[in-house]
Amino acid sequence: KQEVTQIPAALSVPEGENLVLNCSFTDSAIYNLQWFRQDPGKGLTSLLLIQSSQREQTSGRLNASLDKSSGRSTLYIAASQPGDSATYLCAVLNTDKLIFGTGTRLQVFP
Amino acid sequence: NAGVTQTPKFRVLKTGQSMTLLCAQDMNHEYMYWYRQDPGMGLRLIHYSVGEGTTAKGEVPDGYNVSRLKKQNFLLGLESAAPSQTSVYFCASIRRGTSHIRQYFGPGTRLTVL
Repeated sequence: KQEVTQIPAALSVPEGENLVLNCSFTDSAIYNLQWFRQDPGKGLTSLLLIQSSQREQTSGRLNASLDKSSGRSTLYIAASQPGDSATYLCAVLNTDKLIFGTGTRLQVFP
Repeated sequence: NAGVTQTPKFRVLKTGQSMTLLCAQDMNHEYMYWYRQDPGMGLRLIHYSVGEGTTAKGEVPDGYNVSRLKKQNFLLGLESAAPSQTSVYFCASIRRGTSHIRQYFGPGTRLTVL
């Protein structure tokens, strides 16, 4: 059974810091891993999608890496801004199931 | 195309009432999923379908039923709603290519059971 864990559960940092959010999974036989952002009371916004054959993806200040063999992914946020405050979720796709982690709640203060 | 849509967006039920949530996708995807999200938690898989006419249980299936009579629609039913089913429900569909797999999500349905 695939289990997805995100650490830390919550993070509060001053503006400008570089951040690393972690996602670990127990079954390395995945098709892809996706990072999402969710603002309070809103739906999911896809940030980055890493296929199983890829090692990383980048979009602007965001960089996500994938190490299937160790069952880990990291989301790196450079030069954080107050607008980055949100909950960040990772999800892994196995053969049939898409399983989510419990999320990291990020607050960036001015 | 419209992507993944969910109907309704909001609903309030009384304990014991029944209702059906509709997820529709116009992208010809085989795989569709229903999730629930409770405060402070990630999304938990309720049921999923790998093709028309098929359904399977996820992590938290109790109290829900599903049907996939048409490829483009995935229905989630609550036969006798309970306060514990108060949640936000998300639907997803997946496009499986030979080398590129991508998932798409609906905007969510906020359900309150009194």
